[in-house]
Amino acid sequence: EIVMTQSPATLSVSPGGRATLSCRASQSVSSNLAWYQQKPGQAPRLLIYGASTRATGIPARFSGSGSGTEFTLTISSLQSEDFAVYYCQQYNNWPSTFGQGTKVEIK
Amino acid sequence: EVQLVESGGGLVQPGRSLRLSCAASGFTFGEYAMHWVRQAPGKGLEWVSGISWNRGSTDYADSVKGRITISRDNAKNSLYLQMHNLRVEDTALYYCAKAPISGDYVWYFDYWGQGTLVTVSS
Repeated sequence: EIVMTQSPATLSVSPGGRATLSCRASQSVSSNLAWYQQKPGQAPRLLIYGASTRATGIPARFSGSGSGTEFTLTISSLQSEDFAVYYCQQYNNWPSTFGQGTKVEIK
Repeated sequence: EVQLVESGGGLVQPGRSLRLSCAASGFTFGEYAMHWVRQAPGKGLEWVSGISWNRGSTDYADSVKGRITISRDNAKNSLYLQMHNLRVEDTALYYCAKAPISGDYVWYFDYWGQGTLVTVSS
């Protein structure tokens, strides 16, 4: 099984600041990588798929990059509603696996 | 508007069975693969099982293989998860999730339900 490792575990960012989240795969997943946002008490929401394509309705301040084993989610100019937990997921190989999450908190 | 509504969760003793359901609306259910993803309390996400749009393919995580069966009824716009021989470690919020591409069996998800909680405890 492919292990997805996210870093850091917690990221403290000021409102209006920039957040850079990392996700590393234990072997290549090509560009078959998705990012999700989850707020307390809510289901996850798809942000990015194909490593860099924003899902429908996702603001342009969210961007994804990378391929192979190294991926990044960048949130430029953090808004109050962006403070949440973010998960990466590979869907290149069975079984699909998620990272352990990065919590973005208010600094 | 796409809606996925799970039901069937509850408190169950170890070794017992439970059947989860997911009622779908707002899209042509029979054209999309569907999945179950779970989240243990305070933990991360774990893909559990998936089924293709035409039931031709089903897949299971190793942690549940042999104990869980995924199925769907396209006429009823419903997804199911039959769970047997439940273990304490199966305690989680179980989400029903929709794959985004019509006719394709992909394993990422564009819509999720709000989940149904399964608690396995004696």
